[in-house]
Amino acid sequence: DAMVIQNPRYQVTQFGKPVTLSCSQTLNHNVMYWYQQKSSQAPKLLFHYYDKDFNNEADTPDNFQSRRPNTSFCFLDIRSPGLGDAAMYLCATSTGRGRGETQYFGPGTRLLVL
Amino acid sequence: ELKVEQNPLFLSMQEGKNYTIYCNYSTTSDRLYWYRQDPGKSLESLFVLLSNGAVKQEGRLMASLDTKARLSTLHITAAVHDLSATYFCAVDIRGAQKLVFGQGTRLTINP
Repeated sequence: DAMVIQNPRYQVTQFGKPVTLSCSQTLNHNVMYWYQQKSSQAPKLLFHYYDKDFNNEADTPDNFQSRRPNTSFCFLDIRSPGLGDAAMYLCATSTGRGRGETQYFGPGTRLLVL
Repeated sequence: ELKVEQNPLFLSMQEGKNYTIYCNYSTTSDRLYWYRQDPGKSLESLFVLLSNGAVKQEGRLMASLDTKARLSTLHITAAVHDLSATYFCAVDIRGAQKLVFGQGTRLTINP
C-alpha cells in the first residue's frame, strides 16, 4: 500500500548528540512536511519542501535542519538535541497540486533525549 | 496571522449522548480539515471541507463548514467508546501549502 513511512519509530539520544530522523513516501507527493508535537499539544510545523524548494518556519530553531535528496525521502537532522526537543516528530505529505490538499501523516518518531 | 481555536479542549461524555466540537478561525479560508489522533499515534484524516455549507458524514461523526462565520463543527451522534481520541481541526493558509492546527479537543467517552 502507498504510505508515509518513518524510521525509527522510537529514538533515544543523548543530550547534544546529533540525531537524524527519516521519512519516506510511496505516494509520489510533491510536498513533504516535518512537524514537532509535544504532549497534549497540536502539531507544530517546523518546515516543508515543495519539490526541492525548502520553506522554513520563522520560529524553527537553527538546531533543526532538513534534507530532501529526492522525491521519496526527507530527513530531519537535530544537530544538538536538548531536553526540550523530546517530542513526537511527524512527517506528512500532500500532492501540492490543487484544492483540498489533505496531508497524509506517517506514524511518527518518538524522540527521547537523555 | 491565522489563528484556529477549538472548544471545548476537554470533553467527557457518556455513551449514547450527542455533542458538538467547535472550531473557529480568524481569517478567510474555505478549506478546513478534521483529524483524529489516538494516544501515542499519528494523525488520521477524517474530513476535508472545501466550501461554504459543506457537510460530510462518516458513521457517527458529521462535520460542517460555515465560511462566513469562520466556524466548523464536528458533531458526534450517539457516542461510543471507540470514538475516544483527540480531534484536531486545521485550516489551510491560501497559497502557502500549509495548515494551522487548533489546540485539539480531547474526547473521552465513558460507558
